[in-house]
Amino acid sequence: QVQLVESGGGVVQPGRSLRLSCVASGFTFSNFGFHWVRQAPGKGLEWVAFIWYDGSNTYYADSVKGRFTISRDNSENTLYLQMNSLRAGDTAVYYCARDNSRSVVSEADYWGQGTLVIVSS
Amino acid sequence: SYELTQPFSVSVALGQTAIITCGGNNIGSKNVHWYQQKPGQAPVLVMYRDRHRPSGIPERFSGSNSGNTATLTISRVQVGDEADYYCQVWDTSTVVFGTGTEVTVL
Repeated sequence: QVQLVESGGGVVQPGRSLRLSCVASGFTFSNFGFHWVRQAPGKGLEWVAFIWYDGSNTYYADSVKGRFTISRDNSENTLYLQMNSLRAGDTAVYYCARDNSRSVVSEADYWGQGTLVIVSS
Repeated sequence: SYELTQPFSVSVALGQTAIITCGGNNIGSKNVHWYQQKPGQAPVLVMYRDRHRPSGIPERFSGSNSGNTATLTISRVQVGDEADYYCQVWDTSTVVFGTGTEVTVL
């Protein structure tokens, strides 16, 4: 069965960096695009970034552009989110989600359980 | 930037019909997807490309999209349908989520 397992969250000081990982199993990882989506405590869903099946194209929300980088290692079935210059406003649960397409963004048909990032001094 | 507007909350009696709207400029020209999220859980896809149900989603869930409004309809509402619901589209190289609707079963 499809499984997505995020890790790497934790408490980090403002201005510091953190890298999240999402390990996929149960399907051919390299055939699908992926998203990172976050949710601040008590708030709604906010899209963060998307990457094509082969990593050749990426898209970002304006709120993270220039600070966050989405990437993937198809040989390791792993999705990453490198987060730099973290701010208090980045505090959220971060979900990885599989898109039901290789490149053209469609629906996110499977989601991980999320990893919590807290940015605080 | 593109915006999607949803009612903050919808209350519905057990066994009745819940209608959740998602408003956006000419949203009828886009593919709309819907997610259900229960407290402490990850979102779950309940409708994709306006009107298609993923496997495992009851037929009680249906969707439509036209003009400036997309709609998710839940017929014969059950207690287990209590959750937050989000619509989502892709616009100008950006994924946009709606503001979310809390569905309460009375």
